[in-house]
Amino acid sequence: EAQVTQNPRYLITVTGKKLTVTCSQNMNHEYMSWYRQDPGLGLRQIYYSMNVEVTDKGDVPEGYKVSRKEKRNFPLILESPSPNQTSLYFCASSFSPSSGKNTGELFFGEGSRLTVL
Amino acid sequence: LAKTTQPISMDSYEGQEVNITCSHNNIATNDYITWYQQFPSQGPRFIIQGYKTKVTNEVASLFIPADRKSSTLSLPRVSLSDTAVYYCLVGLSGNTPLVFGKGTRLSVIA
Repeated sequence: EAQVTQNPRYLITVTGKKLTVTCSQNMNHEYMSWYRQDPGLGLRQIYYSMNVEVTDKGDVPEGYKVSRKEKRNFPLILESPSPNQTSLYFCASSFSPSSGKNTGELFFGEGSRLTVL
Repeated sequence: LAKTTQPISMDSYEGQEVNITCSHNNIATNDYITWYQQFPSQGPRFIIQGYKTKVTNEVASLFIPADRKSSTLSLPRVSLSDTAVYYCLVGLSGNTPLVFGKGTRLSVIA
């Protein structure tokens, strides 16, 4: 089954304790991205990657890191989490336009709810 | 980056047609317009995409005027299960940072 898988789905942690949220897709997509969703603010893009070893900042990258060492994986790293990073996080992927397979559809994971105390 | 503006919320009765309009004044030439639906605690789900004029699929229609500065998602005969948040997205998936707006919360009433 084609899917985007995020882990963990739920996490409660404390300020300053490094954590990683993993994202994996099995559709051979070039493009992957991370979003955070907060009440009243909609979805805001944190980072995106157009292909392996290529990453760029989105709208709200402060406090986050990403890496794209493999095509299927795009982990989100919070080196020193703070309470303002309490949010619902979504990973998404798609084909790139140059692949000839792009339908415009972003495939989203089920979300990771993070609470930083 | 193309910003979008949508109504914050809309209400509708079951069986009615619902039209949600999105403004995107600074849309770029190679940008597409895509709409997503999101239920609580789930990831957004693709509904429809278009570039110009009209696009129709099994769940919705998308109307885009010639100047492409706005678009309208049309949901025919909504049901209670269409209660969700709808996002208009302008860009080219897989090629640029993609900016979601704040979405429109549609409430369908029996």
